[in-house]
Amino acid sequence: EVQMVQSGAEVKKPGESLKISCRSSGYNFGTYWIGWVRQMPGKGLEWMGVIYPGDSDSRYSPSFQGQVTISADKSINTAYLQWSSLKASDTAIYYCARQNVARYDQWGQGTLVTVSS
Amino acid sequence: QSALTQPRSVSESPGQSVTISCTGTSSDVGDYNYVSWYQHHPGKAPKLMIYDVSKRPSGVPDRFSGSKSGNTASLTISGLQAEDEADYYCCSFAGTYTSVFGGGTKLTVL
Repeated sequence: EVQMVQSGAEVKKPGESLKISCRSSGYNFGTYWIGWVRQMPGKGLEWMGVIYPGDSDSRYSPSFQGQVTISADKSINTAYLQWSSLKASDTAIYYCARQNVARYDQWGQGTLVTVSS
Repeated sequence: QSALTQPRSVSESPGQSVTISCTGTSSDVGDYNYVSWYQHHPGKAPKLMIYDVSKRPSGVPDRFSGSKSGNTASLTISGLQAEDEADYYCCSFAGTYTSVFGGGTKLTVL
């Protein structure tokens, strides 16, 4: 059974750094792209970017390029989303999802990130 | 890379049909037969309902169907049931492994 399990909720202050994770199981982690999707409070889903764990090739939405870093460690089947300096506007639920050709067929449960002073 | 355009909300009675549109451009929806649709209940993970414009994953009822014409894709739900009430998002491949989501449509089953 394919599973994507994300790290737990985080509460951070503006300016702090953060790295959240998404651990996959049940398939060959290195052969599927993993995407990250943001949902701000009361808003819709936004595509942030993807990574191919096999070679760490990554692509970003222009809206998120330079704002976050997507990485992966295929030795532990885990993808990451990180910020170097959080802003209040980063408060959102973040989902990881497996990209199967051009669809997201398996999703993590979401990680709530709250940034508040 | 602008978000795809969806109606903010639609509503219909149980047993009826509803269609949700998703309009993109010739660089995304119009250029690829890689439109997918997701059902999202608040607090849960999104669920894939349609992929490659009109294909249904195993386990998704055949009440859900998809189509595309030009730069606009559509999701049709027939025989509406109370549990279909949710937010629905379209998503299109936009080249070089990138994707773009629609703004989402809130479906209310009256």
